[in-house]
Amino acid sequence: QSALTQPRSVSGSPGQSVTISCTGTSNDVGTYNFVSWYQQHPGKAPKLMIYDVNKRPSGVPDRFSGSKSGNTASLTISGLQDEDEADYYCCSYAGIYTHYVFGTGTRVTVL
Amino acid sequence: EVQLVESGGGLVQPGGSLRLSCVASGFTFSSFEMHWVRQAPGKGLEWISYISTGGSFTHYADSVKGRFTISRDDAKNALYLEMNSLRAEDMAVYHCAREAYRSSKNFDHWGQGTLVTVSS
Repeated sequence: QSALTQPRSVSGSPGQSVTISCTGTSNDVGTYNFVSWYQQHPGKAPKLMIYDVNKRPSGVPDRFSGSKSGNTASLTISGLQDEDEADYYCCSYAGIYTHYVFGTGTRVTVL
Repeated sequence: EVQLVESGGGLVQPGGSLRLSCVASGFTFSSFEMHWVRQAPGKGLEWISYISTGGSFTHYADSVKGRFTISRDDAKNALYLEMNSLRAEDMAVYHCAREAYRSSKNFDHWGQGTLVTVSS
């Protein structure tokens, strides 16, 4: 099972919006609404930002939103802030044999 | 506060073995499914193993199947990963992660990880 495909990097100025795509296949993203997104600052543990495609855990700012169309999921960060600079990984459930597949990761840079 | 603290990493020769531990606190450990996820240096995240509540069901990524064994001791609030026949490609930071709720298919709390270095 190959990793989900994400852009290597995206960037934006404070206050702007950025969108990270996460492309899988009909075996994972396209079939299951179990797409989650994780934020990881250097040397830190990943943090859950979005689950079930578009739900935010308690405490995650509403600047973060998720969506899905076909085999591609997306994470949008609106009103970019300095603290949003981090690596972001998508993850999809992929059934009883593969279980979970993560994305390749995207570095978000705040200009 | 939910905390997951891994330990047991270190330097091991190719073909060697290592046992990782993850001690949980701040929640009822026995009620949650648990996972191990690893991250090779400078690389992305890779899911490698799952264990059900009670420990009856386990799953593994193909990359570690037959070499790694996940287990849990609910009395000690501990999760384990027994790693055998280690290879260079197993070198990574190993995180334990809690599944948010039964069959939620996402990981709501993670440990900081423990580094496994495989080298002669």
